[in-house]
Amino acid sequence: AQTVTQSQPEMSVQEAETVTLSCTYDTSESDYYLFWYKQPPSRQMILVIRQEAYKQQNATENRFSVNFQKAAKSFSLKISDSQLGDAAMYFCAYRTNSGTYKYIFGTGTRLKVLA
Amino acid sequence: EAGVVQSPRYKIIEKKQPVAFWCNPISGHNTLYWYLQNLGQGPELLIRYENEEAVDDSQLPKDRFSAERLKGVDSTLKIQPAELGDSAVYLCASRPPGFLYEQYFGPGTRLTVT
Repeated sequence: AQTVTQSQPEMSVQEAETVTLSCTYDTSESDYYLFWYKQPPSRQMILVIRQEAYKQQNATENRFSVNFQKAAKSFSLKISDSQLGDAAMYFCAYRTNSGTYKYIFGTGTRLKVLA
Repeated sequence: EAGVVQSPRYKIIEKKQPVAFWCNPISGHNTLYWYLQNLGQGPELLIRYENEEAVDDSQLPKDRFSAERLKGVDSTLKIQPAELGDSAVYLCASRPPGFLYEQYFGPGTRLTVT
């Protein structure tokens, strides 16, 4: 069975600085997707970035980028030039491409942005 | 395009009472998910529908939880009777067909059982 682990319950970053959130996962599959979701206090879960396992190039979306290490089963999220609006819970998620499209989420990291 | 709609946003009930949550997915999204999210935790899948068929309900506590998705569009999740431990946020998400596409979440329903 697949598992997703986020070992940082809470992180803090100064506004305009850079922060990295960690995620590790376990799977025996070779074809899958990895995601980072943001959940602000309003509760609406929003997709931040996704990575396809068969792509070696790390995904980037504006100030958000990932460091995908497939062999190490590591998938970290880097937020550059942090803004107050980045404060939220961040969830790492795994999705199999075996046809079930089942998502498995980590326990989340609460990011605080300090002014 | 309208997003995933859920109602109610908040619900407070006494234990042993029934409760129902409603979800209207994005038009054209054939896959619908119901998740349970406990405080400080990530979402956990309760049930997944492909059109009107429940294809993964292995995590749904069938003694008290039930779900339906009539005509492959709207879905209702019911708890009867509710227990104190059911207090949580219930999230609905939908996605279009094909592996390239992502799921979109609704705002969730926060249930408090007293």
